[in-house]
Amino acid sequence: LAKTTQPISMDSYEGQEVNITCSHNNIATNDYITWYQQFPSQGPRFIIQGYKTKVTNEVASLFIPADRKSSTLSLPRVSLSDTAVYYCLVGDTTGGFKTIFGAGTRLFVKA
Amino acid sequence: GAVVSQHPSWVICKSGTSVKIECRSLDFQATTMFWYRQFPKQSLMLMATSNEGSKATYEQGVEKDKFLINHASLTLSTLTVTSAHPEDSSFYICSARDQLAGRADTQYFGPGTRLTVL
Repeated sequence: LAKTTQPISMDSYEGQEVNITCSHNNIATNDYITWYQQFPSQGPRFIIQGYKTKVTNEVASLFIPADRKSSTLSLPRVSLSDTAVYYCLVGDTTGGFKTIFGAGTRLFVKA
Repeated sequence: GAVVSQHPSWVICKSGTSVKIECRSLDFQATTMFWYRQFPKQSLMLMATSNEGSKATYEQGVEKDKFLINHASLTLSTLTVTSAHPEDSSFYICSARDQLAGRADTQYFGPGTRLTVL
């Protein structure tokens, strides 16, 4: 299973763009990269998933370089409600799909 | 779409009793569900993988006789904490694997169950 490494915490201000990078040096060919958001006492919420290049949805963008050894979650114009823990997961979605959570990044958005 | 529910959302029980937590995929069928435990300020720890119609696969260090998992249908998995003790108090979260043809599978998580053992 690919291990992921993220910054433990990040601070930002409302309205700024936030980029959280995740390192996954031993990502396998079948692995996809998925990001989740978790608020206290809630289950993680799916944000975005990708395999390579760039993926964008209504809440975020995911940038994956050609070697796929890292990925960057980009949150445009964050608000106070984006204060949460963000997890990067790498997992084989074609096999057993077992994924292991890393420590996550605690994002704190200030007014 | 892709909604996962858990019941109950919180439970308080006496030491020595058993507690059952249900996890349901509401709008999709899940052949695979996962159970996690999360302690305060920590990440999610995978406890076991639950496959419909077969025995669960437990992670190292997780007692299978204490944490009984049943995945009897494609939309329901249950976790029973037997003879619960205060150290079992935690936030239990399930997830379900949504297998979409032509797309990468994705895990969707339930809202979690807060277990407090007195």
